[in-house]
Amino acid sequence: ELKVEQNPLFLSMQEGKNYTIYCNYSTTSDRLYWYRQDPGKSLESLFVLLSNGAVKQEGRLMASLDTKARLSTLHITAAVHDLSATYFCAVDIMNRDDKIIFGKGTRLHILP
Amino acid sequence: GAVVSQHPSWVICKSGTSVKIECRSLDFQATTMFWYRQFPKQSLMLMATSNEGSKATYEQGVEKDKFLINHASLTLSTLTVTSAHPEDSSFYICSARVTGMQGEKLFFGSGTQLSVL
Repeated sequence: ELKVEQNPLFLSMQEGKNYTIYCNYSTTSDRLYWYRQDPGKSLESLFVLLSNGAVKQEGRLMASLDTKARLSTLHITAAVHDLSATYFCAVDIMNRDDKIIFGKGTRLHILP
Repeated sequence: GAVVSQHPSWVICKSGTSVKIECRSLDFQATTMFWYRQFPKQSLMLMATSNEGSKATYEQGVEKDKFLINHASLTLSTLTVTSAHPEDSSFYICSARVTGMQGEKLFFGSGTQLSVL
């Protein structure tokens, strides 16, 4: 059974600081996603990581994937208040089991 | 990007009634759609995978007679919560898989907040 573990589950940090959210998964995957969710809203796609060593950056967010370690990271650089949200990683095992499994999410609260 | 329209966005109903939630792909055809359930401050739990023209595949512990899924066309999947009870109150989100030049992506509907009185 695929397990996706995300940590930390809750993070409070000050503006301007850097931090990393980690996503570990228990089996090989086809691809890995990162999503953002604001309270009461649906999910917004941030990144799709397709292969080992993939690194993608958008603004202050950077995501990477190490398929050998079964680890993805979401790095936040010089955080700003607008980045406060819940961030989910999701592991895609479509080709084997036709499903995508989500981590528990990281609630990020950035203090002004 | 691709647009997935989910309706209604919020529904309040009495216990015992049935509620239908629609998920439409507006500018693409979705052979596969997914239905998730999310409790407050928790992650998304996959309920079922809906395939056009065939029966949905339900996750373990999800009652197929309780949560009826119909994927009758390439642009529409519906989830019907039958005889809803207060414990069915939750945020329900659909998603559709899209294959494009950058590979496959998953697009989400805006979600439906179901409150059962």
